[in-house]
Amino acid sequence: DAGITQSPRHKVTETGTPVTLRCHQTENHRYMYWYRQDPGHGLRLIHYSYGVKDTDKGEVSDGYSVSRSKTEDFLLTLESATSSQTSVYFCAISEGTSSYNEQFFGPGTRLTVL
Amino acid sequence: QKEVEQNSGPLSVPEGAIASLNCTYSDRVSQSFFWYRQYSGKSPELIMSIYSNGDKEDGRFTAQLNKASQYVSLLIRDSQPSDSATYLCSGGGNKLTFGTGTQLKVEL
Repeated sequence: DAGITQSPRHKVTETGTPVTLRCHQTENHRYMYWYRQDPGHGLRLIHYSYGVKDTDKGEVSDGYSVSRSKTEDFLLTLESATSSQTSVYFCAISEGTSSYNEQFFGPGTRLTVL
Repeated sequence: QKEVEQNSGPLSVPEGAIASLNCTYSDRVSQSFFWYRQYSGKSPELIMSIYSNGDKEDGRFTAQLNKASQYVSLLIRDSQPSDSATYLCSGGGNKLTFGTGTQLKVEL
């Protein structure tokens, strides 16, 4: 267990409502990532963070924002949820952002937008 | 073309056989590769890392990397029903990119 928790683990919401997912780590790793996983697409990077208040976009960042006010917490916000954002969301952590650094995943959040 | 490509499967092998999973990548600057195992409804779990050409063995698992041909493979010896899962290949230069995964079924 890499010391990563995600909350909530399951959520059902309606189109147009704001949603915030939380990732919490106890490893004190500098780098944190948010992915979504959909059938046929695999894992796709949404946003990542390389330190407190330091974040950057991934390949599917539209409609999502993130914040990191503490090393241990990385929040993903859907400002106005849409049905296309129904997915499983995984948080990951690593010691570094280069491709030499292995990533470790949290348990995931299953989000359904009706 | 996706940066990392895998056959989605399913790949079915009998118990005790060798399962061979393959992955190709398009980015020649990719430096390292990882194999993750993902059980249905669970998160990806890292099982192998490989950084240089050749083979790397860990128990029943062997990862093989050929940078000239741009492919990486995972061999699972003495396959067990508990190996039935989806295997994700990832690699990259500055950022990791994941394949869509190959579903492996080990049959009794």
